[in-house]
Amino acid sequence: GIQVEQSPPDLILQEGANSTLRCNFSDSVNNLQWFHQNPWGQLINLFYIPSGTKQNGRLSATTVATERYSLLYISSSQTTDSGVYFCAVNSGGGADGLTFGKGTHLIIQP
Amino acid sequence: EAGVTQSPTHLIKTRGQQATLRCSPISGHTSVYWYQQALGLGLQFLLWYDEGEERNRGNFPPRFSGRQFPNYSSELNVNALELEDSALYLCASSWGRIISGNTIYFGEGSWLTVV
Repeated sequence: GIQVEQSPPDLILQEGANSTLRCNFSDSVNNLQWFHQNPWGQLINLFYIPSGTKQNGRLSATTVATERYSLLYISSSQTTDSGVYFCAVNSGGGADGLTFGKGTHLIIQP
Repeated sequence: EAGVTQSPTHLIKTRGQQATLRCSPISGHTSVYWYQQALGLGLQFLLWYDEGEERNRGNFPPRFSGRQFPNYSSELNVNALELEDSALYLCASSWGRIISGNTIYFGEGSWLTVV
């Protein structure tokens, strides 16, 4: 099956800093989503972005499908941005569902 | 509009017992997915239901089973509980198939602890 690798695994930043999270995938995808898991466990949708660039406030994402990677940018970090960020993909191999990376654990310190 | 709802929020069972978890999808969504998030193992795909039928299952033993009801809600049953079944169980729903480019939305999860 498709492999999803996220980097870095852990990231500690001060409030106000910018960050870039990376997601590499091993096959072409027809669905790619970024999620933020808050400390209570809920997964919040950030972007549906199998290709191209999107922005939503301080967050933006870019997927270069031909090179099999996606980037999530967080600008002017706030403590509420802390949590785990997951990239998840579907490669269209017949089975539905998303394959998740192991996530990037982000801690924003005040 | 209500999101995906799951119950119970927390559940404590003893080894060998059965656990039943429930999920109500977003109104209008017909596909329901179950994921297990065990400590240190990330999110693992469990089951996918669409239009009342089980369409696909992940690499889990048969004691993990479930069903989808005519109103598209779903339940996950875990029989003969083992300690390693302790995890956060997440349900998600989508309007159509992920393979077709649809977005999935997760509920808040059910924490299962097996003692």
